Order: sequence, then structure tokens, then C-alpha cells
Amino acid sequence: AQKITQTQPGMFVQEKEAVTLDCTYDTSDPSYGLFWYKQPSSGEMIFLIYQGSYDQQNATEGRYSLNFQKARKSANLVISASQLGDSAMYFCAMREGYNTDKLIFGTGTRLQVFP
Amino acid sequence: DAGVIQSPRHEVTEMGQEVTLRCKPISGHDYLFWYRQTMMRGLELLIYFNNNVPIDDSGMPEDRFSAKMPNASFSTLKIQPSEPRDSAVYFCASSLGLAGFSSYEQYFGPGTRLTVT
Repeated sequence: AQKITQTQPGMFVQEKEAVTLDCTYDTSDPSYGLFWYKQPSSGEMIFLIYQGSYDQQNATEGRYSLNFQKARKSANLVISASQLGDSAMYFCAMREGYNTDKLIFGTGTRLQVFP
Repeated sequence: DAGVIQSPRHEVTEMGQEVTLRCKPISGHDYLFWYRQTMMRGLELLIYFNNNVPIDDSGMPEDRFSAKMPNASFSTLKIQPSEPRDSAVYFCASSLGLAGFSSYEQYFGPGTRLTVT
């Protein structure tokens, strides 16, 4: 079974609108962390936001927020007020368990923002 | 501050040749990671080090791949002999680490695009 599932290969959003990128995960370990990374066409991987499994509140970082629904095992990324520069690949990743720093990545969602 | 530095940025080699990829992590980061990204397999962890010691190498494809970290500021990933299926972008990343309840993100280098013909 896939540990991280991103079901949207591609998404389109108009500039200034909000968009939600889906991510579901699969783990039986109560301790885990969820990360979102952005990969622009230039290729670098940019950290966006983190959510720990024991965090009580949804994480927010500027225009990025994470809609964490633990019972559903989902960690969707919400980008508010989309900008043209948000066009990129977005990857969800999970660190599973207490004694590892290994990240497992999803297959990514390509977001395109149009004017 | 300099980020993670990787060299070369692009490498083209012929099948059977030895390839060495290099990485300099961010100063002060105790953890170093090597990833490979391909269209078919996505982004996958090959190996990671903590304080220069390999912790998890379960992602290393086969014996042709080896990685070393002789000191806190340098790591290499070597492929010998290289094959066309090794063509990919190889990323190095570093972090402050701490397993468990850590929010420390991994900082990625710009990647090395390897093409094996």
C-alpha cells in the first residue's frame, strides 16, 4: 500500500483564488510528521509547512495552511490568494515513527496558476 | 548563508563509467540525505547519515551504489559501473535532524542531473 497518496496529478487555479492540494497517508504509528514541499520548474525542493501527529492545531505559514484531519488520515495543503509564482510541483511527505528521519514522498501534484 | 551545495550540476557519462556526486551540507546540520528523483519512481531516499554515520541505506538500489561521509562537511555518492537506468536527478539534503517530535525540515541542494548513455 502507498504510504503517501496524492490523487491529483494536476490542478489549475486562477490567480488570487484559493486552492487545496490533497494528500492522504497510511501509517499505524501514532508518532509521525507530515511535510509539504514545492518544486518549481527550476528543480529545487522548497520546504513549505510541517504538521506533527500530536499537534492540536492546523499548521499555518503565511499563505499556506495544512488541513489536518487525523481520523481521515489526510493532510491537505491549502494555498490562499494564489500567485503566478505558485505554479510548481507540490509534494506531500511523511516521516513515520519516532526513531527515523526518513521521509517518504508522494507522487506530487502539478499546480498551474493562470491570470 | 550558503545552502546545500552539490556538484556537478550536470553529468553526462557513458555506461560502465564511474560517477561521483558530491555534496556539502549546511554547516551545523547533523543529518545528510541522498535522494533520487525519476519520472517512474518519483523521489526516493537512498541513504542518510547522522553525524557522518550511515543510519539507513535500505534505499540504495544495489552494490553499484555507495555513499560516504568522511567528515561533517562533505559526502559523496558513487555509482560504479553506471548504467542508463541510473539516469535521474540526485538530490542531497541536510537537516538539524532529531527523530521523533521534530519539525526540522530537510534543506535540499539544487540536484545533480545525471545522464548515462
